[in-house]
Amino acid sequence: DIQMTQSPSSVSASAGDRVTITCRASQHISSWIAWYQQKPGKAPKLLIYAASSLQSGVPSRFSGSGFGTDFTLTISSLQPEDFATYYCQQANSFPLTFGGGTKVESK
Amino acid sequence: EVQLVESGGGLVQPGGSLRLSCAASGFIFSRNDMHWVRQVTGKGLEWVSGIGAAGDTYYADSVKGRFTISRENAKNSLYLQMSSLRAGDTAVYYCARSWGKEFDPWGQGTLVTVSS
Repeated sequence: DIQMTQSPSSVSASAGDRVTITCRASQHISSWIAWYQQKPGKAPKLLIYAASSLQSGVPSRFSGSGFGTDFTLTISSLQPEDFATYYCQQANSFPLTFGGGTKVESK
Repeated sequence: EVQLVESGGGLVQPGGSLRLSCAASGFIFSRNDMHWVRQVTGKGLEWVSGIGAAGDTYYADSVKGRFTISRENAKNSLYLQMSSLRAGDTAVYYCARSWGKEFDPWGQGTLVTVSS
């Protein structure tokens, strides 16, 4: 199984800050990674697929990068509605696996 | 609008069975792969099972042999038959449409509690 190691587990930030979350796969997954946002009591929402493709309707302040084993989700200027938990997921092979999550909290 | 609505969750005793349903609308259900993903309260996400448009099925090792995924295209419905349930299966269960091997969108979830 492919393990996804996400860091940090939490980050404290203020509105306007640039936030970077990383995810490392235990083996090469090309660009087969997705990023999700989850708010309390809600289902996750797909933000990024294929490492860097922005899902329709997702603000352009979200971006993804990386290839192979190391990937990054960046929020260029944090907005109040962005305080949430973010998960990476490898879409390379079954069983599909998620990172442990990163909680973005208000400083 | 694409919509997924889960039902069937509830309280079940260890060793018991439960069948979850997911009603889909707003897209051509028969042409899409579908998945179940679960989340223990306050914890991370765990993929449980997937079914292809052609009926091929996939399972996490943690549920293999105990859970069965199925679909009924005529009813635009996805199912998860869960048996030999354990306390560790307690979670919110989400159904999700496949976007490649990503998930979009997700339903609102249904809570399964395994407890005596």
